[in-house]
Amino acid sequence: AQTVTQSQPEMSVQEAETVTLSCTYDTSENNYYLFWYKQPPSRQMILVIRQEAYKQQNATENRFSVNFQKAAKSFSLKISDSQLGDTAMYFCAFMKPNTGTASKLTFGTGTRLQVTL
Amino acid sequence: DAGITQSPRHKVTETGTPVTLRCHQTENHRYMYWYRQDPGHGLRLIHYSYGVKDTDKGEVSDGYSVSRSKTEDFLLTLESATSSQTSVYFCAISTGNQPQHFGDGTRLSIL
Repeated sequence: AQTVTQSQPEMSVQEAETVTLSCTYDTSENNYYLFWYKQPPSRQMILVIRQEAYKQQNATENRFSVNFQKAAKSFSLKISDSQLGDTAMYFCAFMKPNTGTASKLTFGTGTRLQVTL
Repeated sequence: DAGITQSPRHKVTETGTPVTLRCHQTENHRYMYWYRQDPGHGLRLIHYSYGVKDTDKGEVSDGYSVSRSKTEDFLLTLESATSSQTSVYFCAISTGNQPQHFGDGTRLSIL
């Protein structure tokens, strides 16, 4: 079974600064997918970024980028130029490839990020 | 936004009563999922479906059942609700290896 660990329950960053959220995972699979989801106070689950394990290049989406270290089983999220709207709970998630019976997500426990003025 | 509707959005009920939560999608996605979210646990998979009438258990399935009689609807039933099932419940849908898209959640309180 896969496990996902987010060791930072809470973090705080000032507006316009950069912050990095940590995530490690444990798996015996060689091919898989990793995701970061954002959950603002509205409770919606919003996909932030995805990474395929077979791709060495780190994924980037505007101000969000990841540092994927496959050998170390590490998948951190960097938020640049933090904005007040980035205040949310952030979840790291692991997914094995779909073999016909669905692609189940395994989530970490989340990191609550507060962006301050 | 992916077309996923969860109903009800909020529900308060008493221990021992049956409860059914509904997830409706308009995306014609094959796969549907039910998760529960609790503090300190993130989201945990309850049940999932890989087609009409095809369902299977997730990691926290005890006390829950599901049904999928149509592609667009996935029902989660608590046959006899307990206080430990107080939680926020999310439905998600996906296709192939694409990321899952989530509904807005149902907050369920069992007194």
